[in-house]
Amino acid sequence: NAGVMQNPRHLVRRRGQEARLRCSPMKGHSHVYWYRQLPEEGLKFMVYLQKENIIDESGMPKERFSAEFPKEGPSILRIQQVVRGDSAAYFCASSPGTGRVTEAFFGQGTRLTVV
Amino acid sequence: DQQVKQNSPSLSVQEGRISILNCDYTNSMFDYFLWYKKYPAEGPTFLISISSIKDKNEDGRFTVFLNKSAKHLSLHIVPSQPGDSAVYFCAASKGNTDKLIFGTGTRLQVFP
Repeated sequence: NAGVMQNPRHLVRRRGQEARLRCSPMKGHSHVYWYRQLPEEGLKFMVYLQKENIIDESGMPKERFSAEFPKEGPSILRIQQVVRGDSAAYFCASSPGTGRVTEAFFGQGTRLTVV
Repeated sequence: DQQVKQNSPSLSVQEGRISILNCDYTNSMFDYFLWYKKYPAEGPTFLISISSIKDKNEDGRFTVFLNKSAKHLSLHIVPSQPGDSAVYFCAASKGNTDKLIFGTGTRLQVFP
């Protein structure tokens, strides 16, 4: 669990600002998944990426949200013009090249608060 | 559309007894099911999984049962320990390579 690094752990943004959440996968992992947990709810899938490719973004809101996983560096989840409803815990998970979900490890999450 | 449901938001069990956490699903295309444990301010930790070709999988104190006809799975923890107190999520996927669909979680409290 500790191998997947997310930063920042806590992020406060005013309405209309941009939020950038970073996820460094475990060493050797090339697959990244982003999930969002709203208060009192389960985790909701957002996007699945491999290096330089978006494999499945069916859970991403159509506007203001984007994700990337460049060849070098962490995966970034970007939220433009944040609104109060974006306040949530955002978790990423990484897995090795097999893409097997049972080999996915979650980070500790970034808690975004929009004020 | 909640495809994976955990209808009990909380469960309280005495130490040493059995904890049974339940989960129902609606999508018959799911063929892989997982249980995760989550402590506050931490990410989910994988506990145990089961493929749809099985009806039971056991790992130490944890056993998962799958009833495909009822679209129901359960996690048994025996004996329960205070350190098991956490939120438990069940999740489902199609083909073990797809995204996870999570339930809303059950908060388990194990008291002495």
